[in-house]
Amino acid sequence: GNSVTQMEGPVTLSEEAFLTINCTYTATGYPSLFWYVQYPGEGLQLLLKATKADDKGSNKGFEATYRKETTSFHLEKGSVQVSDSAVYFCALRGAQKLVFGQGTRLTINP
Amino acid sequence: EAGVVQSPRYKIIEKKQPVAFWCNPISGHNTLYWYLQNLGQGPELLIRYENEEAVDDSQLPKDRFSAERLKGVDSTLKIQPAELGDSAVYLCASSSGGEARVDEQFFGPGTRLTVL
Repeated sequence: GNSVTQMEGPVTLSEEAFLTINCTYTATGYPSLFWYVQYPGEGLQLLLKATKADDKGSNKGFEATYRKETTSFHLEKGSVQVSDSAVYFCALRGAQKLVFGQGTRLTINP
Repeated sequence: EAGVVQSPRYKIIEKKQPVAFWCNPISGHNTLYWYLQNLGQGPELLIRYENEEAVDDSQLPKDRFSAERLKGVDSTLKIQPAELGDSAVYLCASSSGGEARVDEQFFGPGTRLTVL
């Protein structure tokens, strides 16, 4: 079946550090891939997405590239800010529903 | 525009008691989802509605969970009786509908249930 695996958290970084959160998936075919973010006290929000191999999704300085060779969709940001502190979820779209990873809690210290 | 509204935000009950959660989706969104999010895990779909019809309830534990979406707008998710293992966050999401829009889901803040 479809599944998503994210790197274990929590992740703590200093402001302006480089961020990578790893995400790999198992799926039949080539599903659309997503990153959602959940800020404290708020609902999940779509951060970015990619719908086919080699696509790069980007938003708010975050990027992720759909790599079918490695079945990965790693999230990156060149310089994180305190306001990026949140929980990040990788997800894939399969069989008319989203399948989420377990989430990675990110804390950015000033 | 207003987002997805859920209430209550927090609920504490004793085991074997009933509990209900309410969701008001974004206006005009035909598709409504209920998810279960256990601590430290990602959301898992419980049920999906297209208008008032439950089109995917395969993951809903039907012995104790029930849901309804009368008139194809608001929805209620009920647990009766609640068990300790039901302690989790219950998320509601909506989208403008159709299989092609499944990725553009808008989530509510969730209801955190604690069963004692």
